[in-house]
Amino acid sequence: DVKVTQSSRYLVKRTGEKVFLECVQDMDHENMFWYRQDPGLGLRLIYFSYDVKMKEKGDIPEGYSVSREKKERFSLILESASTNQTSMYLCASSLLRDSGANVLTFGAGSRLTVL
Amino acid sequence: GQNIDQPTEMTATEGAIVQINCTYQTSGFNGLFWYQQHAGEAPTFLSYNVLDGLEEKGRFSSFLSRSKGYSYLLLKELQMKDSASYLCAVMDSNYQLIWGAGTKLIIKP
Repeated sequence: DVKVTQSSRYLVKRTGEKVFLECVQDMDHENMFWYRQDPGLGLRLIYFSYDVKMKEKGDIPEGYSVSREKKERFSLILESASTNQTSMYLCASSLLRDSGANVLTFGAGSRLTVL
Repeated sequence: GQNIDQPTEMTATEGAIVQINCTYQTSGFNGLFWYQQHAGEAPTFLSYNVLDGLEEKGRFSSFLSRSKGYSYLLLKELQMKDSASYLCAVMDSNYQLIWGAGTKLIIKP
């Protein structure tokens, strides 16, 4: 069964702390994505990566960075957490690129609260 | 700008049929996806439409009209386990996904 695993389901951090959200997929997918999900809004893309050591900004990259040192792992980093980054963070991966049939497989999400 | 609209919440009765609509305005079109998301869980893929018409998968069907910028997800013989949010997403001309805010479906006995 294909899987995307996010290391932490729930995190509580303080303003200004550095936060790491880890995501690992076991499907040998090239493409990985980080989204945030907030009530009343559609999923918003933070960053994505089509290859190891490659990253591209999504729609809302400000305040975030990413790291992809290995194909199976894509990390989201909040350099200095702020309260407006309290959200559900979803990691996803996919096999195809530049194809309409690009089905995403999501992790279960990491709910981050910044106090 | 790009926009996906779907109802915020719908209620239906167990055993009945429900139709969840999605309208879109995007820069180009490379397909429309429906995902299901149970509370506290990952979204999971339900369907993909790129040509006009109806795609049927068991109790679930998805319809697309590209000329009208319109899709619907039809759920038949509703079960309590169908209580979830249903997310509509369109792939634009740059192969980027534009997401709707999701429709929360509540099933009552």
